[in-house]
Amino acid sequence: SQQGEEDPQALSIQEGENATMNCSYKTSINNLQWYRQNSGRGLVHLILIRSNEREKHSGRLRVTLDTSKKSSSLLITASRAADTASYFCATDDTGKSTFGDGTTLTVKP
Amino acid sequence: GAGVSQTPSNKVTEKGKYVELRCDPISGHTALYWYRQSLGQGPEFLIYFQGTGAADDSGLPNDRFFAVRPEGSVSTLKIQRTERGDSAVYLCASSLGLGNTIYFGEGSWLTVV
Repeated sequence: SQQGEEDPQALSIQEGENATMNCSYKTSINNLQWYRQNSGRGLVHLILIRSNEREKHSGRLRVTLDTSKKSSSLLITASRAADTASYFCATDDTGKSTFGDGTTLTVKP
Repeated sequence: GAGVSQTPSNKVTEKGKYVELRCDPISGHTALYWYRQSLGQGPEFLIYFQGTGAADDSGLPNDRFFAVRPEGSVSTLKIQRTERGDSAVYLCASSLGLGNTIYFGEGSWLTVV
């Protein structure tokens, strides 16, 4: 069974707009990771946020974590057509990471 | 190597045949993971190794699936008596250890016809 669930399932925006994706999970975690996957390719690691952290930044990416609500969000600012991909959150509780089914982001030029 | 390497990148096999998928993790990474991904879904956990031993194999769907990592580096996922439902991308990943960033390979696309 999947621990993390991403919301929305699909998101379509114009280039330059911001994109926000959410992830909810059920049990306590050690950390949460966000990944990007282009069609037919492997997963690219974006950000790891630990359970004692609330926010992390990496370039145009901002991740927040609210352990009381068991949720995380990924914000991509000033989106580009190249950001078009599927985005997954993965929660680590017992040493293995459990993934949701992802958010498919389409950025229109 | 620079990243996680998986071979073959594509494999088409007939129903009932035996298949081996190989994973070469990032040098120095003690943890190695196998996932399976079907179209439109997220990766599904199969097994992970800490060193040579399988620390958690709870995701292996049945006894047709088996994985080894005899020297604590390269791992092989073995699938016996393949079924059409086994068709998926098999992803391997590695990390420095539990709780660290997990890096994925490009996957092995398995098609059972």
